[in-house]
Amino acid sequence: GAVVSQHPSRVICKSGTSVKIECRSLDFQATTMFWYRQFPKQSLMLMATSNEGSKATYEQGVEKDKFLINHASLTLSTLTVTSAHPEDSSFYICSAIRDKAMGQFFGPGTRLTVL
Amino acid sequence: RKEVEQDPGPFNVPEGATVAFNCTYSNSASQSFFWYRQDCRKEPKLLMSVYSSGNEDGRFTAQLNRASQYISLLIRDSKLSDSATYLCVVNMRNQGGKLIFGQGTELSVKP
Repeated sequence: GAVVSQHPSRVICKSGTSVKIECRSLDFQATTMFWYRQFPKQSLMLMATSNEGSKATYEQGVEKDKFLINHASLTLSTLTVTSAHPEDSSFYICSAIRDKAMGQFFGPGTRLTVL
Repeated sequence: RKEVEQDPGPFNVPEGATVAFNCTYSNSASQSFFWYRQDCRKEPKLLMSVYSSGNEDGRFTAQLNRASQYISLLIRDSKLSDSATYLCVVNMRNQGGKLIFGQGTELSVKP
C-alpha cells in the first residue's frame, strides 16, 4: 500500500520556539496533502489542505501565520508551528491522496510537546 | 449538529461477539464513505470503503443508506486485536478530497 512518512515522530520544545514537521509520500506523487491535529480523546480535526505549488487552504479558526505550510514538491509538505505554546501540544498527522476511491493515507503522526 | 456523528462508546464485548457501529452524516453532498481504525497513539488506517450496495471484507461488513444518511459497520467473531477506535469518515463532493471525521467509537474486546 501507499506509504506516507512523517518526521520527527516526537518533539519536545520550549515555549516560543518554532518546530518544523515534514510529511513525505514515499511511493507516489501527491498534489494534495492534508494536515490534521488530534487532541487526547478527540477526533482528527483538519487544519489545512496543502496544495503543491500554491498556497495552502486553512480551515476556519486555524491561524495561517502560526501554522506555516509549504508544499514544495509532489512528495513533500512541511508544517511549521511558529512561536509554539503549551496549548499547541498535540498529535499532528498528515495525509495524502493517492486515489480518491481509496481515501487518504496517513503518516504516523508527530507528537508535539511544548514546555 | 456535528457533520458526522458516532456513538463514542466504549463498547466492551467478549471475544467472538458480533458488534455493530452506527454513524450518521448531516450533509447530503457527502460523496464517499469510509471506516478507519485508529489504535492508541497511532495514525488512522483505512479499514474499508463503504458502498451503497454494501460490502464485506472477511469479518467486516459495511452498509450505507444514502436516504437516511446512515453508515454502519458490523464486526463478526470479534478478536482481541479488533480493540481500537473506529472512525466513520465522509468525503465531500467538490472539496478536493477533504475528509470529515466522526469522533470515533472505542471498542474493547475482552478474553
